[in-house]
Amino acid sequence: GDSVTQMEGPVTLSEEACLTINCTYTATGYPSLFWYVQYPGEGLQLLLKATKADDKGSNKGFEATYRKETTSFHLEKGSVQVSDSAVYFCALTVNNNDMRFGAGTRLTVKP
Amino acid sequence: DVKVTQSSRYLVKRTGEKVFLECVQDMDHENMFWYRQDPGLGLRLIYFSYDVKMKEKGDIPEGYSVSREKKERFSLILESASTNQTSMYLCASRVREGSSYEQYFGPGTRLTVT
Repeated sequence: GDSVTQMEGPVTLSEEACLTINCTYTATGYPSLFWYVQYPGEGLQLLLKATKADDKGSNKGFEATYRKETTSFHLEKGSVQVSDSAVYFCALTVNNNDMRFGAGTRLTVKP
Repeated sequence: DVKVTQSSRYLVKRTGEKVFLECVQDMDHENMFWYRQDPGLGLRLIYFSYDVKMKEKGDIPEGYSVSREKKERFSLILESASTNQTSMYLCASRVREGSSYEQYFGPGTRLTVT
């Protein structure tokens, strides 16, 4: 079935460090791909998305490129801040069916 | 702004109690979802509803039921709470945005069953 695998955490970085959170997917059709972020004590918020191959989603300094050849959608940020500390979820939908989520990666950024 | 609200942020119940978790969205979305979130497992779909009075089982429906009598409200029911249902419960509604759907989540209800 359709699924998402993302790198296990937790990830701890110093402020201004580079971030990459890996996400790969398995899908029977052509998925739409998403990154959601969950700040402490809150629900999930959409961070960015890409709906077709080679699309790049971006928001708040985060980027992810839909790579069909490697079935990947890695999340990147060039310089993280303390306020980026959160849990990040990679997700997909195929043909607008149910959304499938990865296990989540907890990021802690230290000053 | 889309708003999805859940009736409680924290809930403590005893084993065997019947538990109701309420979710309300204010944007006239047709599709609504209930997930549970557990460490290392991500979000798992319990039930969903594509419209009023419609419901579909997700991946882990056992021990749960749902009710969708009005478009804006989707209730999750634990018929007889058990300790393995201690979890974070997240409600979401969904709307079409261009070529894909976008899901909006509530703040979650952390349920503890003792």
